[in-house]
Amino acid sequence: EVQLVESGGGLVQPGGSLRLSCAASGLILSNYWMSWVRQAPGKGLEWVAHINQDGSEKYYVDSVKGRFTISRDNDKNSLYLQMNSLGAGDTAVYYCVQWGNANYWGQGTLITVSS
Amino acid sequence: VVMTQSPPSLSVTLGQPASISCRSSQSLVLSDGISDLAWFQQRPGQSPRRLIYKVSNRDSGVPDRFSGSGSGTDFTLKITRVEAEDVGVYYCMQIRHWPHTFGQGTKLEIK
Repeated sequence: EVQLVESGGGLVQPGGSLRLSCAASGLILSNYWMSWVRQAPGKGLEWVAHINQDGSEKYYVDSVKGRFTISRDNDKNSLYLQMNSLGAGDTAVYYCVQWGNANYWGQGTLITVSS
Repeated sequence: VVMTQSPPSLSVTLGQPASISCRSSQSLVLSDGISDLAWFQQRPGQSPRRLIYKVSNRDSGVPDRFSGSGSGTDFTLKITRVEAEDVGVYYCMQIRHWPHTFGQGTKLEIK
C-alpha cells in the first residue's frame, strides 16, 4: 500500500520558518516527479512547488518564489519543503503529491501563520 | 494559465447526470496532440483524489460513470448517474504550463 505521510506542520509566527517533510512508503520516490499542493481553510487547491526525479528541476508558484525551497532525498525516500518568511497568506493544509501513471496524496499537514 | 470552472456549484438528483466545464486561458495541447488536463475529486474531510488524467484517462478504481472530454482550452467532466458518494468538490488542473494551476472548484451536492 502506498502511503505519503507529511510532518512538520504547526503554528508559526509571521516571518518565521518551517520545514515540512513527506515520508513515502510502498513506492520508490526516485521514480517520480513530486510536488507540494496547499489548501487554505475553506478554499480551493493551489499548486506550490514541483521537483523532478533527481532534483535538478524545480518549479514554484510566483507567490512563494524566493521564500520556499523544495528538495528531496531519494535515499531516504523523502520530500521536503523549506518555508521561510512565512505570512498569513501561507496558512493552509500542505499536501505532498506523487505524479505518474498513478497519483497519490498525503493526508496533509496544517500550517498556521499567526502571532 | 487561468483555469475557469463552471458552475461553481450544482445540485443533482441521485441517478441523474452531472456535467462540469473547465476552460483554460491558454491551450493545453502537448507536442503529441494530447492536452494535459486532469480532474480531481475532494470528498468532505478527505485529501483530493485524481479521477482523470490527460483529458479522458480514468485512474485505477474510478467508476466508469466518470468521463472526461475536450481539447485545447475547453474541457468537460461528466458523471452519467450521480451517486451519494460523489458528493464533494471537483477541480480541474492544467499540467501543460508552469506553474501548474487548478480551477476554483465545483461543489457537487445531492438534491
